Amino acid sequence: ETGVTQSPTHLIKTRGQQVTLRCSSQSGHNTVSWYQQALGQGPQFIFQYYREEENGRGNFPPRFSGLQFPNYSSELNVNALELDDSALYLCASSPGQGIEGYTFGSGTRLTVV
Amino acid sequence: DQQVKQNSPSLSVQEGRISILNCDYTNSMFDYFLWYKKYPAEGPTFLISISSIKDKNEDGRFTVFLNKSAKHLSLHIVPSQPGDSAVYFCAASASSGTYKYIFGTGTRLKVLA
Repeated sequence: ETGVTQSPTHLIKTRGQQVTLRCSSQSGHNTVSWYQQALGQGPQFIFQYYREEENGRGNFPPRFSGLQFPNYSSELNVNALELDDSALYLCASSPGQGIEGYTFGSGTRLTVV
Repeated sequence: DQQVKQNSPSLSVQEGRISILNCDYTNSMFDYFLWYKKYPAEGPTFLISISSIKDKNEDGRFTVFLNKSAKHLSLHIVPSQPGDSAVYFCAASASSGTYKYIFGTGTRLKVLA
């Protein structure tokens, strides 16, 4: 399987709700990172998983959590949604630890109302 | 604190001419740099990278220059083509532990036919 696939492409949630975003990485890509891109900004690093363990985190609160599965899929979970969580969420994967750069998915556009 | 800055939000260039996109960083620990291109409704696509042991890396029409003393890098596109019109992000990371890439806010390039 080639490419990085994210689902859903668009999502609308209400403040206070919880959301799960999904990502399917390329086979053999042991590293997956999640980024948040607000309008007019560059992607901001949320966290990274390597072989199913979190090995790096950006400046995001604990209500942002993730999982990586052995089949190269992963999830981003956000609890207690806030209006400022509205953004494009990008999943990116890499075969190694990421130094060679990432392959990004097309993202999930989350709107919190 | 914006550790990676792209001070030009937009740039217009005539087809066939050179496009120069600039990026500045503040963290002296950064030693690996990437450029990504992003079309609307798509995820960022990896373009070219450079490590701090080099001052230039070339790939076809794309060349990245790194000036470590000035903490500045630039992406040159020669010749520019209408299909190059996109948002360009530079990203930087320190090659220790997690390759947590810090992205700039992007420069929108428009190549005029």
